[in-house]
Amino acid sequence: GAVVSQHPSWVICKSGTSVKIECRSLDFQATTMFWYRQFPKQSLMLMATSNEGSKATYEQGVEKDKFLINHASLTLSTLTVTSAHPEDSSFYICSASQSAMSPGAEGYTFGSGTRLTVV
Amino acid sequence: SQKIEQNSEALNIQEGKTATLTCNYTNYSPAYLQWYRQDPGRGPVFLLLIRENEKEKRKERLKVTFDTTLKQSLFHITASQPADSATYLCAPLSGGYNKLIFGAGTRLAVHP
Repeated sequence: GAVVSQHPSWVICKSGTSVKIECRSLDFQATTMFWYRQFPKQSLMLMATSNEGSKATYEQGVEKDKFLINHASLTLSTLTVTSAHPEDSSFYICSASQSAMSPGAEGYTFGSGTRLTVV
Repeated sequence: SQKIEQNSEALNIQEGKTATLTCNYTNYSPAYLQWYRQDPGRGPVFLLLIRENEKEKRKERLKVTFDTTLKQSLFHITASQPADSATYLCAPLSGGYNKLIFGAGTRLAVHP
C-alpha cells in the first residue's frame, strides 16, 4: 500500500531557530500533499495544501511567512517552521492521496507525524 | 460555515459489544465520507470510505452508514476488542474537492 514517510519523528529546538520537516511519498507520486497540526487532546487542524511546482495554499489564520512549505518534486514536500517559539510546539503531520483525479474517492495516507518542542 | 460534529466525550464499552460512533455535518453536501483511526502520537490511518449514493459499507468488523437526509454517518465496530481502543475521526468530502477536514474525533475505550 501507499506509504508516506515523515522525518524527523521528533525534534527539540531553541526558541528563534528554524526547523524543517520532510514528508515523502515512497511508492507513489503526490501532486498534492497536506500539512496538519495537532495540539494535545485536539483534532487535526489543516494548515496548508502543498502543490508540486507551485505555491502552497494556506488555511485562514496560518502565517505563510512562518510556516514555509516547499513541494519541489512529486514525492517530497517540506514544512519549515521559521523563528520557532514555544507556542509552535505541536504535533505536525503530513498526508497525501495516491489519486490525483479523485482524491476524495480513496483514502489518504498520513505520515507518522513530527513532535516539535520549542524550548 | 461548515461544521463536523462527533461525540466529544469518550465512549467506554465492554469487550465483545458493538461500538457505535456518530458523525454529523452541517453546511456540507459531501460526495464521500471517510473514517480514520488515530492512535496516540501517530498519524491517522484510513479505515473506510462511503459514497453519497451508498447507504452502507462493510469491512470485516466495521460498518459505516451514510444518511444524506439526516446529514449523518454512523460507524460501527462489532465484537469490539481492547485493540480497537483509539480515536476515530470522520471527514466528509465534497466531490472534486480534495481538502480533508476532520471532525474532533471520538475516543473509544474497549474494556476487557
